[in-house]
Amino acid sequence: ELKVEQNPLFLSMQEGKNYTIYCNYSTTSDRLYWYRQDPGKSLESLFVLLSNGAVKQEGRLMASLDTKARLSTLHITAAVHDLSATYFCAVDLNTDKLIFGTGTRLQVFP
Amino acid sequence: DAGVTQSPTHLIKTRGQQVTLRCSPKSGHDTVSWYQQALGQGPQFIFQYYEEEERQRGNFPDRFSGHQFPNYSSELNVNALLLGDSALYLCASSSRVLSYTFGSGTRLTVV
Repeated sequence: ELKVEQNPLFLSMQEGKNYTIYCNYSTTSDRLYWYRQDPGKSLESLFVLLSNGAVKQEGRLMASLDTKARLSTLHITAAVHDLSATYFCAVDLNTDKLIFGTGTRLQVFP
Repeated sequence: DAGVTQSPTHLIKTRGQQVTLRCSPKSGHDTVSWYQQALGQGPQFIFQYYEEEERQRGNFPDRFSGHQFPNYSSELNVNALLLGDSALYLCASSSRVLSYTFGSGTRLTVV
């Protein structure tokens, strides 16, 4: 059974700092998604990574995928308060269903 | 172009009751998936509908059932509600996969 693990589970970081969220999964897949969720809200799609070595960037966020290592990273550059949210990675085993990670709750403070 | 629409946004039910949640997919999408997100956890896959049939199902009891209509909209039904069914229920639509669009969700509280 596919397991998707994220770390850290909780991240408190100062504005302006850099940090990386890690997403490990247990079964080979080349389809990985990153989502953002604000409290009480739905999931906002951030990145779709569909091949080994894929790298995508949007603003202060950059996501990458290493299918051989079964690892994806979400890198935050020069964090700002507006990035405070919970971030989920999700893996699709070509079965058209997403298996979500545990989530990383990010809090950015001044 | 409307995205995924879910209704109602919130509802409160009593243990043992039945509930129906509704989802209208994004225009052009023909596949609807339902997820349950308990507080503080990641969403869990309930089931998926395509061409009006349940195509695959997650690890949820038969109390959870669904339906897809010819216009691709979908319903999620939960019978004999338990306190543990309290969660945010998310609907996601897609077409030929690769991209999923999530609705704003229905917050179900069972008391």
